[in-house]
Amino acid sequence: ELKVEQNPLFLSMQEGKNYTIYCNYSTTSDRLYWYRQDPGKSLESLFVLLSNGAVKQEGRLMASLDTKARLSTLHITAAVHDLSATYFCAVETGTASKLTFGTGTRLQVTL
Amino acid sequence: NAGVTQTPKFQVLKTGQSMTLQCAQDMNHNSMYWYRQDPGMGLRLIYYSASEGTTDKGEVPNGYNVSRLNKREFSLRLESAAPSQTSVYFCASSEWGRRVEAFFGQGTRLTVV
Repeated sequence: ELKVEQNPLFLSMQEGKNYTIYCNYSTTSDRLYWYRQDPGKSLESLFVLLSNGAVKQEGRLMASLDTKARLSTLHITAAVHDLSATYFCAVETGTASKLTFGTGTRLQVTL
Repeated sequence: NAGVTQTPKFQVLKTGQSMTLQCAQDMNHNSMYWYRQDPGMGLRLIYYSASEGTTDKGEVPNGYNVSRLNKREFSLRLESAAPSQTSVYFCASSEWGRRVEAFFGQGTRLTVV
């Protein structure tokens, strides 16, 4: 059974600081996705990582994938309040593009 | 584009009642999914449909049934609702085989009392 673990589960950080969210998974996969969810809203796709060593950047967020270590990271640079949300990683395995989600990291950026 | 549309957005059921959650996508995707989201547990897959005419169980299928009505529509039915099915339900669609992300609907917040 595939397990996807994120840490930390909750992160409170000050504006302007840097931090990294980690996503570990237990089985071979080279397809990993990061989503953002605002309270009471749906999931918004942030990054699609499809090979070992993939790195994607958008604004203050950068995601990477190491398939050998079964690890993905989401790095936040100089956080701003608008980044406050819950972030999920999701690993694709098997047929039909099924996703197994991590438990999410709730990020709170304080002024 | 509407993307993935779910109805209803909110629903309160009494234990033992039945209901159907509707989902439609306009992106011509071949695969569709139903997930549930519970606090502290991320999203878990209930059922999925890899292509029109096929459905399969996901991680937590007990108490649910699904119908892939056509390529656009995928419904989730609760035959006899239980309090343990109180959750937020998300429908999603994707193009299996093209290695692209799944797109999610706005969710249905279901409370079973």
